[in-house]
Amino acid sequence: DAGVTQSPTHLIKTRGQHVTLRCSPISGHKSVSWYQQVLGQGPQFIFQYYEKEERGRGNFPDRFSARQFPNYSSELNVNALLLGDSALYLCASSWGRSRNSPLHFGNGTRLTVT
Amino acid sequence: GIQVEQSPPDLILQEGANSTLRCNFSDSVNNLQWFHQNPWGQLINLFYIPSGTKQNGRLSATTVATERYSLLYISSSQTTDSGVYFCAVELVGGSEKLVFGKGTKLTVNP
Repeated sequence: DAGVTQSPTHLIKTRGQHVTLRCSPISGHKSVSWYQQVLGQGPQFIFQYYEKEERGRGNFPDRFSARQFPNYSSELNVNALLLGDSALYLCASSWGRSRNSPLHFGNGTRLTVT
Repeated sequence: GIQVEQSPPDLILQEGANSTLRCNFSDSVNNLQWFHQNPWGQLINLFYIPSGTKQNGRLSATTVATERYSLLYISSSQTTDSGVYFCAVELVGGSEKLVFGKGTKLTVNP
């Protein structure tokens, strides 16, 4: 079975632009979470969606938004990019809500903002 | 917010050695997971272990939730064990987010 897939793998954007990152969960998983990882630190929670509803939101500005589609895939959108948004963006899926099931991560999208 | 502290921050071993990594957390948790991030950035789930002990090959983990710590044991280490090991917890009554520690960077030399 395929794991969590993310696209694109790498992306270079300019300050002020918009970006959309995509994620397909493991087949049968209904929960998708997004995390941001900057160099040298642990991943930081951005959003969790379960059964297409937002179930959790981290301490990120409103420039960050996400949604989950009927097939459980997900998009993360970031508007008005800042240099500080440069990071590895990780998508994770689980079969249930996070407190009940292990999280499985994709390989991430490396975003560079210049 | 919840504090997750991992120790040691860095660890260098010779192949074949054993090691113990520790994760302390400051509040009651629903959920604790250990991850390994390899040098290519891939984050692999090692254990989902809110309490008790689990073993998977050369790795084992123990969580003592009442004392707010978890341990990850690596036996007979191999060079492929190199990378960063993260502990992540979900706070009781929290917003279903995992809070990660800063990680332990493990280097296994041949």
